[in-house]
Amino acid sequence: GNSVTQMEGPVTLSEEAFLTINCTYTATGYPSLFWYVQYPGEGLQLLLKATKADDKGSNKGFEATYRKETTSFHLEKGSVQVSDSAVYFCALSHVGSNYKLTFGKGTLLTVNP
Amino acid sequence: GAGVSQSPRYKVAKRGQDVALRCDPISGHVSLFWYQQALGQGPEFLTYFQNEAQLDKSGLPSDRFFAERPEGSVSTLKIQRTQQEDSAVYLCASSLQGTGAQPQHFGDGTRLSIL
Repeated sequence: GNSVTQMEGPVTLSEEAFLTINCTYTATGYPSLFWYVQYPGEGLQLLLKATKADDKGSNKGFEATYRKETTSFHLEKGSVQVSDSAVYFCALSHVGSNYKLTFGKGTLLTVNP
Repeated sequence: GAGVSQSPRYKVAKRGQDVALRCDPISGHVSLFWYQQALGQGPEFLTYFQNEAQLDKSGLPSDRFFAERPEGSVSTLKIQRTQQEDSAVYLCASSLQGTGAQPQHFGDGTRLSIL
Protein backbone atom coordinates (compact mmCIF):
# COMPACT_ATOMS: atom_id res chain seq x y z
CA GLY A 1 0.00 0.00 0.00
CA ASN A 2 0.90 3.66 0.04
CA SER A 3 3.31 4.87 2.70
CA VAL A 4 5.60 7.73 3.61
CA THR A 5 8.89 7.40 5.46
CA GLN A 6 10.58 10.49 6.76
CA MET A 7 13.74 11.16 8.66
CA GLU A 8 13.34 10.65 12.35
CA GLY A 9 14.04 13.52 14.62
CA PRO A 10 14.51 15.43 16.60
CA VAL A 11 16.73 17.69 14.54
CA THR A 12 18.53 20.51 16.32
CA LEU A 13 20.29 23.23 14.34
CA SER A 14 21.83 26.60 14.94
CA GLU A 15 20.35 29.64 13.27
CA GLU A 16 21.47 30.07 9.64
CA ALA A 17 22.38 26.40 9.28
CA PHE A 18 21.33 24.34 6.24
CA LEU A 19 18.35 22.05 6.70
CA THR A 20 17.48 18.79 4.99
CA ILE A 21 14.64 16.53 6.08
CA ASN A 22 14.48 13.36 4.03
CA CYS A 23 11.20 11.91 2.80
CA THR A 24 10.63 8.85 0.63
CA TYR A 25 7.35 7.33 -0.43
CA THR A 26 5.75 4.19 -1.78
CA ALA A 27 2.67 4.66 -3.90
CA THR A 28 0.72 3.29 -6.80
CA GLY A 29 0.14 5.69 -9.63
CA TYR A 30 1.35 9.26 -9.47
CA PRO A 31 0.47 10.89 -6.17
CA SER A 32 0.75 14.55 -5.29
CA LEU A 33 3.30 15.27 -2.57
CA PHE A 34 3.10 17.77 0.26
CA TRP A 35 5.00 19.15 3.20
CA TYR A 36 2.89 20.34 6.11
CA VAL A 37 4.21 22.21 9.15
CA GLN A 38 2.81 22.29 12.68
CA TYR A 39 4.02 25.17 14.83
CA PRO A 40 3.73 24.79 18.62
CA GLY A 41 0.11 25.04 19.71
CA GLU A 42 -1.18 25.42 16.17
CA GLY A 43 -2.81 23.26 13.52
CA LEU A 44 -1.26 21.78 10.40
CA GLN A 45 -0.44 24.27 7.68
CA LEU A 46 0.47 23.52 4.11
CA LEU A 47 4.07 24.51 3.49
CA LEU A 48 4.53 23.45 -0.13
CA LYS A 49 3.37 20.92 -2.68
CA ALA A 50 4.31 19.27 -5.98
CA THR A 51 1.86 17.50 -8.22
CA LYS A 52 4.05 15.76 -10.80
CA ALA A 53 7.54 14.43 -11.34
CA ASP A 54 10.35 17.02 -11.40
CA ASP A 55 8.06 19.73 -9.99
CA LYS A 56 9.68 21.88 -7.33
CA GLY A 57 7.51 23.24 -4.55
CA SER A 58 8.76 26.27 -2.67
CA ASN A 59 7.56 28.60 0.07
CA LYS A 60 9.16 30.75 2.79
CA GLY A 61 12.65 29.72 1.67
CA PHE A 62 11.83 26.00 1.82
CA GLU A 63 12.07 23.83 -1.28
CA ALA A 64 11.35 20.23 -2.23
CA THR A 65 11.58 18.49 -5.59
CA TYR A 66 9.38 15.56 -6.64
CA ARG A 67 11.84 12.85 -7.67
CA LYS A 68 10.03 9.93 -9.26
CA GLU A 69 13.19 7.93 -9.95
CA THR A 70 14.15 7.89 -6.28
CA THR A 71 10.57 8.23 -4.93
CA SER A 72 11.71 11.11 -2.76
CA PHE A 73 10.56 14.58 -1.76
CA HIS A 74 13.27 15.92 0.53
CA LEU A 75 12.69 19.26 2.26
CA GLU A 76 15.53 21.79 2.21
CA LYS A 77 16.19 25.30 3.43
CA GLY A 78 19.45 27.15 3.02
CA SER A 79 19.38 29.17 6.24
CA VAL A 80 16.99 28.30 9.06
CA GLN A 81 15.63 30.75 11.59
CA VAL A 82 14.46 30.28 15.17
CA SER A 83 10.91 30.82 13.93
CA ASP A 84 11.21 27.67 11.77
CA SER A 85 11.11 25.50 14.91
CA ALA A 86 8.16 23.19 14.38
CA VAL A 87 7.15 19.65 13.43
CA TYR A 88 7.34 18.93 9.69
CA PHE A 89 5.20 16.27 8.01
CA CYS A 90 5.68 14.79 4.57
CA ALA A 91 2.47 13.52 2.97
CA LEU A 92 1.09 12.10 -0.25
CA SER A 93 -2.39 12.12 -1.68
CA HIS A 94 -3.85 8.94 -3.04
CA VAL A 95 -4.77 8.84 -6.69
CA GLY A 96 -8.20 7.32 -7.19
CA SER A 97 -9.02 7.10 -3.52
CA ASN A 98 -10.69 10.42 -2.84
CA TYR A 99 -7.28 11.96 -2.33
CA LYS A 100 -6.99 11.22 1.36
CA LEU A 101 -3.55 12.04 2.72
CA THR A 102 -1.01 9.57 4.03
CA PHE A 103 1.47 11.20 6.38
CA GLY A 104 4.92 10.39 7.65
CA LYS A 105 5.51 10.36 11.39
CA GLY A 106 6.80 13.91 11.50
CA THR A 107 10.20 15.45 12.24
CA LEU A 108 10.66 17.88 15.11
CA LEU A 109 13.00 20.71 14.21
CA THR A 110 14.48 22.97 16.89
CA VAL A 111 16.53 25.97 15.80
CA ASN A 112 18.67 27.62 18.45
CA PRO A 113 19.80 31.25 18.29
CA GLY B 1 -12.79 33.55 10.41
CA ALA B 2 -12.02 31.97 7.07
CA GLY B 3 -10.37 28.79 8.33
CA VAL B 4 -11.58 25.37 9.45
CA SER B 5 -13.04 25.59 12.92
CA GLN B 6 -13.19 22.67 15.36
CA SER B 7 -14.84 22.42 18.74
CA PRO B 8 -14.27 21.76 21.50
CA ARG B 9 -10.54 22.38 21.51
CA TYR B 10 -10.11 20.00 24.42
CA LYS B 11 -12.37 17.22 25.64
CA VAL B 12 -11.95 15.01 28.67
CA ALA B 13 -14.30 12.07 29.10
CA LYS B 14 -14.51 9.00 31.28
CA ARG B 15 -14.14 5.61 29.68
CA GLY B 16 -17.49 4.43 28.41
CA GLN B 17 -18.94 7.86 27.75
CA ASP B 18 -20.01 9.05 24.31
CA VAL B 19 -18.39 12.14 22.78
CA ALA B 20 -19.19 14.36 19.79
CA LEU B 21 -16.62 16.48 17.99
CA ARG B 22 -17.64 19.25 15.62
CA CYS B 23 -16.02 20.54 12.45
CA ASP B 24 -17.01 23.68 10.57
CA PRO B 25 -15.20 23.63 7.21
CA ILE B 26 -14.27 26.55 5.01
CA SER B 27 -17.38 27.86 3.29
CA GLY B 28 -17.86 26.35 -0.15
CA HIS B 29 -15.47 23.47 0.38
CA VAL B 30 -16.93 20.29 -1.04
CA SER B 31 -14.54 17.78 0.51
CA LEU B 32 -14.19 17.13 4.22
CA PHE B 33 -11.79 14.72 5.90
CA TRP B 34 -11.33 13.49 9.47
CA TYR B 35 -7.94 12.30 10.73
CA GLN B 36 -6.73 10.88 14.04
CA GLN B 37 -3.30 11.90 15.34
CA ALA B 38 -1.78 9.90 18.16
CA LEU B 39 0.94 11.47 20.26
CA GLY B 40 4.22 11.66 18.34
CA GLN B 41 2.69 10.30 15.15
CA GLY B 42 1.44 11.67 11.88
CA PRO B 43 -2.29 12.04 11.25
CA GLU B 44 -4.11 8.94 10.03
CA PHE B 45 -7.16 9.03 7.78
CA LEU B 46 -10.53 8.19 9.29
CA THR B 47 -13.25 9.19 6.83
CA TYR B 48 -14.12 11.39 3.85
CA PHE B 49 -17.22 13.31 2.75
CA GLN B 50 -18.04 14.85 -0.56
CA ASN B 51 -20.85 17.25 0.27
CA GLU B 52 -23.21 15.22 2.44
CA ALA B 53 -22.16 11.84 1.07
CA GLN B 54 -19.73 9.77 3.10
CA LEU B 55 -17.69 8.19 0.32
CA ASP B 56 -14.93 6.56 2.32
CA LYS B 57 -14.99 5.37 5.91
CA SER B 58 -12.25 2.79 5.60
CA GLY B 59 -10.13 4.39 8.32
CA LEU B 60 -12.69 4.30 11.11
CA PRO B 61 -11.13 1.96 13.69
CA SER B 62 -14.34 0.37 14.94
CA ASP B 63 -18.11 0.59 14.75
CA ARG B 64 -17.98 2.85 17.81
CA PHE B 65 -16.89 5.64 15.48
CA PHE B 66 -19.53 7.41 13.43
CA ALA B 67 -19.39 10.56 11.32
CA GLU B 68 -22.02 12.61 9.57
CA ARG B 69 -22.36 15.73 7.47
CA PRO B 70 -26.12 15.97 6.93
CA GLU B 71 -26.30 19.28 5.06
CA GLY B 72 -22.95 19.16 3.35
CA SER B 73 -21.28 21.72 5.58
CA VAL B 74 -20.77 21.10 9.33
CA SER B 75 -19.61 17.62 10.25
CA THR B 76 -19.73 15.72 13.53
CA LEU B 77 -17.52 12.82 14.56
CA LYS B 78 -19.10 10.74 17.28
CA ILE B 79 -17.36 8.14 19.39
CA GLN B 80 -19.52 5.83 21.44
CA ARG B 81 -18.44 3.96 24.57
CA THR B 82 -15.02 5.61 24.53
CA GLN B 83 -11.90 3.60 25.36
CA GLN B 84 -8.50 4.81 26.52
CA GLU B 85 -6.99 4.02 23.13
CA ASP B 86 -9.31 6.66 21.63
CA SER B 87 -7.20 9.36 23.28
CA ALA B 88 -5.71 11.41 20.44
CA VAL B 89 -6.03 14.66 18.56
CA TYR B 90 -8.84 14.56 16.01
CA LEU B 91 -8.23 16.75 13.00
CA CYS B 92 -10.70 17.94 10.43
CA ALA B 93 -9.64 19.18 7.00
CA SER B 94 -11.52 20.57 4.04
CA SER B 95 -10.65 21.22 0.43
CA LEU B 96 -12.39 22.93 -2.43
CA GLN B 97 -12.92 19.66 -4.25
CA GLY B 98 -11.57 16.17 -4.13
CA THR B 99 -8.59 16.37 -6.44
CA GLY B 100 -5.03 15.53 -5.54
CA ALA B 101 -3.75 18.97 -6.45
CA GLN B 102 -6.08 20.80 -4.10
CA PRO B 103 -4.49 21.22 -0.68
CA GLN B 104 -6.39 20.26 2.43
CA HIS B 105 -6.85 23.00 5.03
CA PHE B 106 -6.72 21.78 8.61
CA GLY B 107 -8.40 22.94 11.78
CA ASP B 108 -6.53 23.17 15.08
CA GLY B 109 -7.95 19.84 16.18
CA THR B 110 -9.76 18.51 19.22
CA ARG B 111 -7.54 16.90 21.84
CA LEU B 112 -9.51 14.04 23.35
CA SER B 113 -8.41 12.48 26.62
CA ILE B 114 -10.16 9.40 27.95
CA LEU B 115 -9.69 8.73 31.66
